[in-house]
Amino acid sequence: QSVLTQPPSVSGAPGQRVTISCTGSSSNIGSGYDVHWYLQLPGAGPRLLIYGDTNRPSGVPGRFSASKSGTLASLAITGLQAEDEADYYCQSYDNNLSAWVFGGGTKLTV
Amino acid sequence: QVQLVESGGGVVQPGTSLTLSCGASGFIFSDYALHWVRQAPGKGLEWVSFISYDEVNKYYADSVLGRFTISRDISKNMLYLQMNSLKTDDTAVYYCLREGKLSHGNNYYYPFENWGQGTLVTVSS
Repeated sequence: QSVLTQPPSVSGAPGQRVTISCTGSSSNIGSGYDVHWYLQLPGAGPRLLIYGDTNRPSGVPGRFSASKSGTLASLAITGLQAEDEADYYCQSYDNNLSAWVFGGGTKLTV
Repeated sequence: QVQLVESGGGVVQPGTSLTLSCGASGFIFSDYALHWVRQAPGKGLEWVSFISYDEVNKYYADSVLGRFTISRDISKNMLYLQMNSLKTDDTAVYYCLREGKLSHGNNYYYPFENWGQGTLVTVSS
């Protein structure tokens, strides 16, 4: 059972918009700890997609955006493309556990 | 560019030990904190351990506390994870990570910026 809760799967047609939620609690996201998002393509290691709740590293397309409010963070992907098919993970810090924590991951099917 | 290359994985029996290594290049090794994160087959990501840039602070997940030890050798640009009393639940791909220091506006953020390709540890009798 992951500390951060994500839907196991989401799907959308090419060109559509999808969102992935990441629900935490008062000891992690709700305490103001930053949320970061990672993308893991099939058979590959994860890579950074969004940092500091809303910021894209250089090279990440503007189709990817994220937000945070209270204990909920969200990742949005617009203009879905086939190559977006991957697993997506949110990550933050939990001060009760004194540990970095991940969501369980969401598999996106395009 | 930043490169992290893990090695040392393999098949071991429960109760035995194994040491993972991670060679780093492309950045000033002594300036950055490092982590180990693992992923069991078909499962999600689990944070395992942290070491500060100066080795002063080391933290562990409860699941490995007392069994795993993280260390780094600045002279060799190497990160290590000594794993003792291995359990079948420790079976996973182990990733070496660099904790980034990214700025945006007046703020700094510390995501897992760079990941290695991972090394597979299988604990089985």
